[in-house]
Amino acid sequence: QQQVKQSPQSLIVQKGGISIINCAYENTAFDYFPWYQQFPGKGPALLIAIRPDVSEKKEGRFTISFNKSAKQFSLHIMDSQPGDSATYFCAVSLTLNKFYFGSGTKLNVKP
Amino acid sequence: GAGVSQSPSNKVTEKGKDVELRCDPISGHTALYWYRQRLGQGLEFLIYFQGNSAPDKSGLPSDRFSAERTGESVSTLTIQRTQQEDSAVYLCASSFPGYGSPLHFGNGTRLTVT
Repeated sequence: QQQVKQSPQSLIVQKGGISIINCAYENTAFDYFPWYQQFPGKGPALLIAIRPDVSEKKEGRFTISFNKSAKQFSLHIMDSQPGDSATYFCAVSLTLNKFYFGSGTKLNVKP
Repeated sequence: GAGVSQSPSNKVTEKGKDVELRCDPISGHTALYWYRQRLGQGLEFLIYFQGNSAPDKSGLPSDRFSAERTGESVSTLTIQRTQQEDSAVYLCASSFPGYGSPLHFGNGTRLTVT
């Protein structure tokens, strides 16, 4: 059973544009929502994370929007750059005991 | 400082052989995870170790898969009688315990079963 559903599977954005990736979950007990970035040949690395008691978190060009009632959260990348081209994974966690990852979004930022 | 180290980085094996994958977590990280990533797909949870607690093995796909961890250090993932569907990148991650501690991943072991 997939704990978190991620979309789109792939995304092409022009340099300077906004990249938006969405995730949805069912279990309301999840209490930690991180996003990971993965470059080819490397393991994923934490990009940004949010707790369910806030609706938005911003770090530089990266923003997480969290909608608790809809059980959805999204990653927004402002002013997207070619260096942002990577695969992005959302994840959900229950008291940090186990992390479930989405299926990934391959982002390609065109120069 | 040193990150999570996995070895080997690549492993090619024949169907039916056993393989052992190794993970050296970051020093002090009591939590350790194994994930499987098939080509172009997401991360599939396999097993979780936390300190001296019994491991959470709920993600292991079959009894051919097993994992051990020595105290709070090295972990090995063993796959017996490998099958072609076992071909994937096996990722190890470690973290401190507690809320908000991120997972630190190694670069994975790419396993190819021929």
